[in-house]
Amino acid sequence: AQTVTQSQPEMSVQEAETVTLSCTYDTSESDYYLFWYKQPPSRQMILVIRQEAYKQQNATENRFSVNFQKAAKSFSLKISDSQLGDAAMYFCAYLEETSGSRLTFGEGTQLTVNP
Amino acid sequence: EPEVTQTPSHQVTQMGQEVILRCVPISNHLYFYWYRQILGQKVEFLVSFYNNEISEKSEIFDDQFSVERPDGSNFTLKIRSTKLEDSAMYFCARGTSGGDTQYFGPGTRLTVL
Repeated sequence: AQTVTQSQPEMSVQEAETVTLSCTYDTSESDYYLFWYKQPPSRQMILVIRQEAYKQQNATENRFSVNFQKAAKSFSLKISDSQLGDAAMYFCAYLEETSGSRLTFGEGTQLTVNP
Repeated sequence: EPEVTQTPSHQVTQMGQEVILRCVPISNHLYFYWYRQILGQKVEFLVSFYNNEISEKSEIFDDQFSVERPDGSNFTLKIRSTKLEDSAMYFCARGTSGGDTQYFGPGTRLTVL
């Protein structure tokens, strides 16, 4: 079974600074997808970024970028120019490339942004 | 991008009662999923639903749970004889194809007393 591990239960960053959240996963598959979701206090699950395993290029969405290391099974999220609104729980998730497959989530990292 | 809506936003029920949680897709999506999140824990997969059939279910999704899409629009999760440990946030998610990004609804907070 696939597993996703986030080893940092909590992280903090100063406003306007950069922070990196770590994620590792375990799979025997070669084709899959990886995601970062953000969960603010409202508890809504909001997609931040998506990475296809077959793509070597790291995904980027505005201030959010990933460092995808397929061989190391590592998928970290970098948030640049952190804003107060970035404060939330961040979940790393894995998805197999088959129909109707489940998302497997990590335990989450609580990010605090200090003004 | 509007995803799905869920009703109710908060449901309080007595232990042993049945509850029905509803998910209403904004547009015509094919794949639907239910996840739950017990407070302070990670999000867990319950079931996936495609073409009016369950395509995958987790070990959590036992006989207490059922899903259906009775009117071709609303996607429901029924929990029979609720237990205290069923208290959690329940999320509906949708996808346009298998392996596609799953977009989540706002969730239903279920409290079992």
